[in-house]
Amino acid sequence: ETGVTQSPTHLIKTRGQQVTLRCSSQSGHNTVSWYQQALGQGPQFIFQYYREEENGRGNFPPRFSGLQFPNYSSELNVNALELDDSALYLCASSHIPGSPYEQYFGPGTRLTVT
Amino acid sequence: SQKIEQNSEALNIQEGKTATLTCNYTNYSPAYLQWYRQDPGRGPVFLLLIRENEKEKRKERLKVTFDTTLKQSLFHITASQPADSATYLCALGGLIYNQGGKLIFGQGTELSVKP
Repeated sequence: ETGVTQSPTHLIKTRGQQVTLRCSSQSGHNTVSWYQQALGQGPQFIFQYYREEENGRGNFPPRFSGLQFPNYSSELNVNALELDDSALYLCASSHIPGSPYEQYFGPGTRLTVT
Repeated sequence: SQKIEQNSEALNIQEGKTATLTCNYTNYSPAYLQWYRQDPGRGPVFLLLIRENEKEKRKERLKVTFDTTLKQSLFHITASQPADSATYLCALGGLIYNQGGKLIFGQGTELSVKP
């Protein structure tokens, strides 16, 4: 068990709505990354948070935003949901950003947009 | 354009044989490469890391090679077991300064080990 938890496990939303996904990092980890994984594809990097600041971002529009809290837990917010946002959203925690340490992934949140 | 590709077709092998999975990339210069295992409905689980100045890494029945000239990594599972059946992902890291811990993942290869 990695210790990274995510909530909720499943979510169904309608196009145009907003969603908030939550992640608690593994104990002792101060860095959280978020990934989007479409069916049959590898995870795609959305962004990373380190000590409550965004520390790198992938090719995702501004309607994908995030937060990290003092206890290192994190939220991913997606506004104006589109059908293509349907995917498994993974968060991963690690010790130090940018270093070659393994990332510990949570089980993911399955988001379906109808 | 930048690409990372893994065996697109599922790999089916007999128990006890060696499984070999391929990860090729173009127009990237990773400082390291990682391999993860992912089971259906679960998050990826880290298996091995290999740095750009290393040729080979081993861990129990797992072996990874990294050829930065060919821009290729090979992942081997020896004496494979049905429990090794899963999707295996390669990921490139240490790509660009100020990109944090961004990992670029391949699409994954599904491995099925038959008893």
